[in-house]
Amino acid sequence: SQELEQSPQSLIVQEGKNLTINCTSSKTLYGLYWYKQKYGEGLIFLMMLQKGGEEKSHEKITAKLDEKKQQSSLHITASQPSHAGIYLCGADRRVSGNTPLVFGKGTRLSVIA
Amino acid sequence: GAGVSQSPRYKVTKRGQDVTLRCDPISSHATLYWYQQALGQGPEFLTYFNYEAQPDKSGLPSDRFSAERPEGSISTLTIQRTEQRDSAMYRCASSPNVRVANTGELFFGEGSRLTVL
Repeated sequence: SQELEQSPQSLIVQEGKNLTINCTSSKTLYGLYWYKQKYGEGLIFLMMLQKGGEEKSHEKITAKLDEKKQQSSLHITASQPSHAGIYLCGADRRVSGNTPLVFGKGTRLSVIA
Repeated sequence: GAGVSQSPRYKVTKRGQDVTLRCDPISSHATLYWYQQALGQGPEFLTYFNYEAQPDKSGLPSDRFSAERPEGSISTLTIQRTEQRDSAMYRCASSPNVRVANTGELFFGEGSRLTVL
């Protein structure tokens, strides 16, 4: 089964609207990472959350971590066409040592004018 | 280099042929990862290197897959006797530190898209 479940799988929003993407882990989270993937490009790091209740912002994108629920949400305010792409959450599984990130399947966001 | 560079960007091969994909990480980065991403899926971990050491290759799907990083910089991923199920985007990422959480960021290349006919 998938360790990281993202919802929704895809989303179409009108430009200017707000939206939220969720990522839920079935295992303990030691760190939660958000990446964005655009067609033909690599994954671009957005932000990292490590502590319960932590909230970070990058331009109009805000992410929060609920450690108890093992869940993170990514919120985009006043969406723009430049926000379109696939948003991926990644999880850090170990307390120490090296650990490859585990990724969710992604949420595909389309922003229409 | 300025960023992570992967080659070729696209590779089409016939079933049964061997393919080698190359990754040139950011020059100062100690750690290099290989991921496989099927269409509509998230990246799946294959293996990683700390310099030339390969501590974890648990994600390699079969013994047809192998990876090297002999001088601790450029890495290659080789798939022998390719099968149609090997068709995917192969992504390389590098990180300055052994532990990702120290910096929070993996730097990804644009990927190599492999199609096996």
